Amino acid sequence: EPEVTQTPSHQVTQMGQEVILRCVPISNHLYFYWYRQILGQKVEFLVSFYNNEISEKSEIFDDQFSVERPDGSNFTLKIRSTKLEDSAMYFCASSEGTGAYEQYFGPGTRLTVT
Amino acid sequence: TQLLEQSPQFLSIQEGENLTVYCNSSSVFSSLQWYRQEPGEGPVLLVTVVTGGEVKKLKRLTFQFGDARKDSSLHITAAQPGDTGLYLCAGNGKIIFGKGTRLHILP
Repeated sequence: EPEVTQTPSHQVTQMGQEVILRCVPISNHLYFYWYRQILGQKVEFLVSFYNNEISEKSEIFDDQFSVERPDGSNFTLKIRSTKLEDSAMYFCASSEGTGAYEQYFGPGTRLTVT
Repeated sequence: TQLLEQSPQFLSIQEGENLTVYCNSSSVFSSLQWYRQEPGEGPVLLVTVVTGGEVKKLKRLTFQFGDARKDSSLHITAAQPGDTGLYLCAGNGKIIFGKGTRLHILP
């Protein structure tokens, strides 16, 4: 069964450093998403991406964040200068379409900023 | 701001019992999805409900979408220890997640 994959599973970085989280969405999906979940809190939407551009973003997704689809398979989330409060699980998801189309989630990357 | 409130926040019951958890909002959603999340893993989609009043069954799990498409419920019949987990509802349109109901089934 096709699945969303994410690498690395765990990333530890120092405050102020740049990190890139990687995702490989399901191959025939056209919409891609990033979410984060701070420990013990709810899953929060960050950004959706379609046709090589951001289609929607939340207040959390400020200028420190960027997304890219550098090739036909990868979808990346970059945090330019990490802060302690960026420590969270980051989930990538993909879907065939929007609206009622199901989003399939990857296993997540645990980002720890020290 | 669209919000999804889930209740109860925690639920611990004996194996074999029935239970219902709820997902409520003051906003109308085009669809609602239910996910289950295990610790350290991503949410796994269980079902999507689209039509007001819709009922979907997944083995011992019954999902219902409210007539006004503002709320949904998940009913589990004869709960098993394998049902233990965090159950999340999510609304499309603004891709909003509720905080979840943490369910623990005691053997």
